[in-house]
This record gives sequence, C-alpha cells and structure tokens, in this order.
Amino acid sequence: KQEVTQIPAALSVPEGENLVLNCSFTDSAIYNLQWFRQDPGKGLTSLLLIQSSQREQTSGRLNASLDKSSGRSTLYIAASQPGDSATYLCAPGGYQKVTFGTGTKLQVIP
Amino acid sequence: GAVVSQHPSWVICKSGTSVKIECRSLDFQATTMFWYRQFPKQSLMLMATSNEGSKATYEQGVEKDKFLINHASLTLSTLTVTSAHPEDSSFYICSASRWAGRTDTQYFGPGTRLTVL
Repeated sequence: KQEVTQIPAALSVPEGENLVLNCSFTDSAIYNLQWFRQDPGKGLTSLLLIQSSQREQTSGRLNASLDKSSGRSTLYIAASQPGDSATYLCAPGGYQKVTFGTGTKLQVIP
Repeated sequence: GAVVSQHPSWVICKSGTSVKIECRSLDFQATTMFWYRQFPKQSLMLMATSNEGSKATYEQGVEKDKFLINHASLTLSTLTVTSAHPEDSSFYICSASRWAGRTDTQYFGPGTRLTVL
C-alpha cells in the first residue's frame, strides 16, 4: 500500500523567500507524480505533472523534481508571494491508483 | 489537453434528497474514471473506480447503494448521492484516466462541494 508523507505539515515564510516542500512515498512503482494546490474550501489546481521517466518539471516559479528510486519529490517555489498561500498536495500515481499526501499548508506573509 | 470538468462546482441540498454530480473528460476518452472525497482537514480518499459500460468497484467502507456511479460513455461519469445526510457533506473530486504508451495518468476535475442541511 502506497504511503505518502509530506514535510513540513505547515510552513510560514515572509514574502520573497525561496522554499522547498518535500514529499516521500513508499512504493516506487509509479507512473508519475503530480503536485496540486488547494485553496481553502476550493478544489484542486494541478501545478506540475512529472512522468516516471523524467527528473523534473518547471512551470514559472515552480520546479518539481522526482527521484523515483528513493521515493522522493520536492516542489521548489521561487520568490514566494502571498498568492502562493494554499495547501500543496503531492500525489504519486501508479496503475489506476493515485495516493494523496496530507499536504503542506503554506502561508506567505506580506 | 487532458481537461476534466465537474458540474456543479457546489451544491446545497436538504437532508433526504439525492444529488447528482457529473464528471466529464473534455478532450480525451477515458475508459476509467475515479471518484474521491475529502472530508475537512483530511486528504483525498478514493471512493470508487468506474469503468465504461460496467459496474463500479467501490473501496472498502463506501456504500455502493448510497453512492451510485454510472459511466455510460467514454467521456462522462456521474455520481449520485442518494438520500443525502449531513455526514455526506464533503468535497467530491473525480479523475479520468488517460493512457499514453504504457502508462496511464489520472487527470483531476476541480471538485464539487456538497453541503447537506
């Protein structure tokens, strides 16, 4: 059974800081890994999708890396902004199975 | 590409009524769709796996008579919460599976917030 751990559970940083969110998973037999953000009371917004054959993906100020063999992924956010405040979810995906972590709640203070 | 929509985005209903939520893959065909729910301050948990033209497979602890799933076409799956009660209030999110080569990727809808009064 896939288990996903996200560290830290919560993070508060001043605006402008670069930060790293960590995700670890126990079953490395995955096809891909997705990072989502979820605003309070809102749905999921897909941020990045990394296929198992890839090492990283970038979108704007976001960069996600994947080390499948060690069961780790990181989401790097550059020059954080108050609008980045949300919960970030890591979700490794296997055959017809996606497992979500419990998320990192990020607060960026102006 | 690979866009999944859900309708409605939120719904409020009275206890005892039934609510239908639609999940559509807009630009690809999905033989398999999935339904998840998220209770407050918890992560998303898989409820059921739905294959086009066949009965859904429910996860342990999910009442199949309460959560009716229909996957009548390759682009549409519906979840009906029958006789909804306040404890069914939750965030319901669907995903659709798209195969590329030998791997499949689940693309997620934005979710539907259900509030049962």
